[in-house]
Amino acid sequence: QSALTQPASVSGSPGQSITISCTGTSSDIGGYNYVSWYQQHPGKAPKLMIYEVSNRPSGVSNRFSGSKSGNTASLTISGLQAEDEADYYCSSYTSSSSYVFGTGTKVTVL
Amino acid sequence: EVQLVESGGGLIQPGGSLRLSCAASGFIVSSNYLSWVRQAPGKGLEWVSVIYSGGSTDYADSVKGRFTISRDNSKNTLYLQMNSLRAEDTAVYYCARGTGRGFGPWGQGTLVTVSS
Repeated sequence: QSALTQPASVSGSPGQSITISCTGTSSDIGGYNYVSWYQQHPGKAPKLMIYEVSNRPSGVSNRFSGSKSGNTASLTISGLQAEDEADYYCSSYTSSSSYVFGTGTKVTVL
Repeated sequence: EVQLVESGGGLIQPGGSLRLSCAASGFIVSSNYLSWVRQAPGKGLEWVSVIYSGGSTDYADSVKGRFTISRDNSKNTLYLQMNSLRAEDTAVYYCARGTGRGFGPWGQGTLVTVSS
């Protein structure tokens, strides 16, 4: 199972909105509404930000939103803040009864 | 509060074995699905294994036949038995509770280094 494809880096100014894409295939993203997104600060464990494409766990800011179209999922961060600077990973359940993560995107707040 | 605490990592020679533990609190392990996810130094996340509430398990192709996931309901603890370890298994290993076919929350991780 190949890793899902994400852009290596995305940047934006405080207050702006950015979108991170995550591209897979019909065997993972396109086949299931089981896409999740994770935030990871340096030296820390990942944190679940979005699950089942667009659901936010309790405590996650509503500035984070998720969507999916075909084989591509997206994470949008609105009202970008300095604390949002981190690595972000997508993940999907697959037709092989396994899970696959994305390549990761480094978000920089300018 | 839901909490996961991994232990058991360390330095091990190639071909050796190691068992990781993940002690859970704030929820019942047997009623949830739990996964192991690893991260090689400076690299991205890689899913390793899952155990569902019913007891069924799945593994990444890279560890199938070498790693075994299990749980002890009486201790509310998840395990990962790792055999025939290779240099490429060097990583921080995280355990995580399942949430809607996603993973969260996560433990703090335990480092496994496979080297002679």
